[in-house]
Amino acid sequence: SQKIEQNSEALNIQEGKTATLTCNYTNYSPAYLQWYRQDPGRGPVFLLLIRENEKEKRKERLKVTFDTTLKQSLFHITASQPADSATYLCAPSGSARQLTFGSGTQLTVLP
Amino acid sequence: DTAVSQTPKYLVTQMGNDKSIKCEQNLGHDTMYWYKQDSKKFLKIMFSYNNKELIINETVPNRFSPKSPDKAHLNLHINSLELGDSAVYFCASSQVTLKGEKLFFGSGTQLSVL
Repeated sequence: SQKIEQNSEALNIQEGKTATLTCNYTNYSPAYLQWYRQDPGRGPVFLLLIRENEKEKRKERLKVTFDTTLKQSLFHITASQPADSATYLCAPSGSARQLTFGSGTQLTVLP
Repeated sequence: DTAVSQTPKYLVTQMGNDKSIKCEQNLGHDTMYWYKQDSKKFLKIMFSYNNKELIINETVPNRFSPKSPDKAHLNLHINSLELGDSAVYFCASSQVTLKGEKLFFGSGTQLSVL
């Protein structure tokens, strides 16, 4: 069965450092992978989408990589800020109708 | 204007009751979804509707019945509520574009069954 693993339930880093979150998946080959941010009491918000033929995607301080051989995506936040504190969910998928989410990594950026 | 809105935000009820959660999207999307997020934060798809037609129905008890009167609305009715139904339920919508298909979520309904 399809399985998605995100690194450690919680990640604490110091403000200004780069946060790196890992998403590993097994038993399927997604055409693309999405990352979402979820704040307490709110629904997930879309951040980035990367396709299987793309190695890297950037948006402002965010960078996502997608290695289909390793079946892994890395999500980086550079120059992290306390406002970046949230839970980040990865979702490898063939389409939104097949979107399967990981349980998320809770990131805390310490001032 | 809220893109995807769902009501109520909180729902506390007794076991055995019947309750409904309403969802509306003003994005003009063709597809709407219901997701369930449990206490361990796993977000699982329950149903998906495209233009009022059911296209995905995951392994969900028959007590859960979605209803889509039009493509902007997808309501969720739950009969004979059980303790295990306690969770946060999210409505979402999506539209296929050249840039891909991404989900827009509502703010969730926290259901507590006592």
